Amino acid sequence: DTGVSQDPRHKITKRGQNVTFRCDPISEHNRLYWYRQTLGQGPEFLTYFQNEAQLEKSRLLSDRFSAERPKGSFSTLEIQRTEQGDSAMYLCASSLRASGLAAYNEQFFGPGTRLTVL
Amino acid sequence: QKEVEQNSGPLSVPEGAIASLNCTYSDRGSQSFFWYRQYSGKSPELIMFIYSNGDKEDGRFTAQLNKASQYVSLLIRDSQPSDSATYLCAVKGDFNKFYFGSGTKLNVKP
Repeated sequence: DTGVSQDPRHKITKRGQNVTFRCDPISEHNRLYWYRQTLGQGPEFLTYFQNEAQLEKSRLLSDRFSAERPKGSFSTLEIQRTEQGDSAMYLCASSLRASGLAAYNEQFFGPGTRLTVL
Repeated sequence: QKEVEQNSGPLSVPEGAIASLNCTYSDRGSQSFFWYRQYSGKSPELIMFIYSNGDKEDGRFTAQLNKASQYVSLLIRDSQPSDSATYLCAVKGDFNKFYFGSGTKLNVKP
């Protein structure tokens, strides 16, 4: 399978615990995005990497959230001291920065990690 | 103020009809626009993108863009029950940030 993969697919945790999610993008993709999606809403941008550099981070993201992409391949998203409001689907997407006419960059989404905070 | 607005629906159309989905956006400088389909419990998948004013057709799907009115639409011709899903409009903003609408749920009735 050469698509975007995410692990775990489901995570149930107690409030106050730390959780870490992993995303493996399509191998040649140099851009990687994290989104959060709650029921009835569209994906909400969290952060974006180009290779190993984190270029953008949502102002809505609290200090409890951190993401890394140490070697420009897989990425991890950590949530510290989880709260019930963190319960959501966390989506990862990757894309290839196109040369020439780069008016679009198709994002391929992974299956997501569903987080439930009790 | 939301960046991207969509009617949440549900939009119900009979099989074989044309489904029309609409989206407005707030950033006049936006250049690239996307339509994603999301089945319940699944992740979004790209249907079409458009960046020039006018229409773009791909099979049964037509995307329409009017930058002056800050309006994007998606037409689905010959709607099938398998088209029943939530359709997300997305706009690419500065620094490669993508803004998604909350989606329109489409029901195609056999």
